[in-house]
Amino acid sequence: KNQVEQSPQSLIILEGKNCTLQCNYTVSPFSNLRWYKQDTGRGPVSLTIMTFSENTKSNGRYTATLDADTKQSSLHITASQLSDSASYICVVPDNTDKLIFGTGTRLQVFP
Amino acid sequence: DTGVSQDPRHKITKRGQNVTFRCDPISEHNRLYWYRQTLGQGPEFLTYFQNEAQLEKSRLLSDRFSAERPKGSFSTLEIQRTEQGDSAMYLCASSSSGGRAGYGYTFGSGTRLTVV
Repeated sequence: KNQVEQSPQSLIILEGKNCTLQCNYTVSPFSNLRWYKQDTGRGPVSLTIMTFSENTKSNGRYTATLDADTKQSSLHITASQLSDSASYICVVPDNTDKLIFGTGTRLQVFP
Repeated sequence: DTGVSQDPRHKITKRGQNVTFRCDPISEHNRLYWYRQTLGQGPEFLTYFQNEAQLEKSRLLSDRFSAERPKGSFSTLEIQRTEQGDSAMYLCASSSSGGRAGYGYTFGSGTRLTVV
């Protein structure tokens, strides 16, 4: 069964600190993996998309890693800001282009 | 055309009433998806269209739900005889086929439905 699992479920950090979110997937065949940021009451916004040949990709303070052998990905946020408070969702499309979503990590950044 | 538009943003309805949501995809996208997201959960797939053809429907889509995309452009999602369990955010997304899976996938801001 195609699944995407994320950890932790929620995370609280202080402004300026770094954090790392984890994603494990069993979707096959694998094409790419996306990290989305979703603010409360809004639709998901893409942060980064990685194919199986990419190990690391950065988007500003966000850095995603991918290990296609172990089917794991991480999203590292550097020097967190209050505006980083949101849910971060790991997503992998199946072979019909339908997205399989993880349940997300809810990040709260406090001053 | 700057993205995927959904209307309305919020809808409050009484149990048993019918509601209809609209989604306008990015104009050059031929695929359109509907997802449902409940509080604290990731979005769950409901159905998708390629042009005007509805190619797949999730088992989550009961007989009370119907989606259309009559001209291959905008889409509507109707829920008949709403129940409190239908309360959720309904997300629409669009993409173009032919590219790598998941690329160009863009979400709308969603329609939040509250059934009272």
